[in-house]
Amino acid sequence: DAGVIQSPRHEVTEMGQEVTLRCKPISGHNSLFWYRQTMMRGLELLIYFNNNVPIDDSGMPEDRFSAKMPNASFSTLKIQPSEPRDSAVYFCASSKSDRYSNQPQHFGDGTRLSIL
Amino acid sequence: DQQVKQNSPSLSVQEGRISILNCDYTNSMFDYFLWYKKYPAEGPTFLISISSIKDKNEDGRFTVFLNKSAKHLSLHIVPSQPGDSAVYFCGGSGSRLTFGEGTQLTVNP
Repeated sequence: DAGVIQSPRHEVTEMGQEVTLRCKPISGHNSLFWYRQTMMRGLELLIYFNNNVPIDDSGMPEDRFSAKMPNASFSTLKIQPSEPRDSAVYFCASSKSDRYSNQPQHFGDGTRLSIL
Repeated sequence: DQQVKQNSPSLSVQEGRISILNCDYTNSMFDYFLWYKKYPAEGPTFLISISSIKDKNEDGRFTVFLNKSAKHLSLHIVPSQPGDSAVYFCGGSGSRLTFGEGTQLTVNP
């Protein structure tokens, strides 16, 4: 089975540009998570969807960040306008659980984002 | 507010010896604790979990211990192998899943 697929793997863009990160979760998984990894804060949860509905977006840093899940097989994380401090690795994960639990989340390989 | 803390950014051990990775938390409402392992250029992968009502869970070479009174958990790897070299994240799961900063484990041959 295919795992969680993220694109692009790397993105380098200039400050002020719009950035769109994409994720295809594992088929049959009904929860999807977006994380950001930085050296200082480790893995931070940005937003959590269940059955395509945003359940918890309290980790989204500010209004420049937005996420959508138009259907069960696709999600986007958008940053507009981007800033150098947004540079990080962004991960998407999916799971079968309908809430936070001990059910493992399956992570994609991440998008390394660099904002110049 | 960093609810999960991994105070050691790195740990180096010899092959065959025990690796002990530590994690402290502040949120008493966590139901489960989980450990994930991450290799470079890959996403984290689930390793082992423990319920908050347990104090130990074992899976092969990996054992997680939970001390609720101290709000501390640890991951023991015995014996350590070079392939265990990775970043290890601990996380607490309750109303949301919160991870620590990660610990880079290096197992030397």
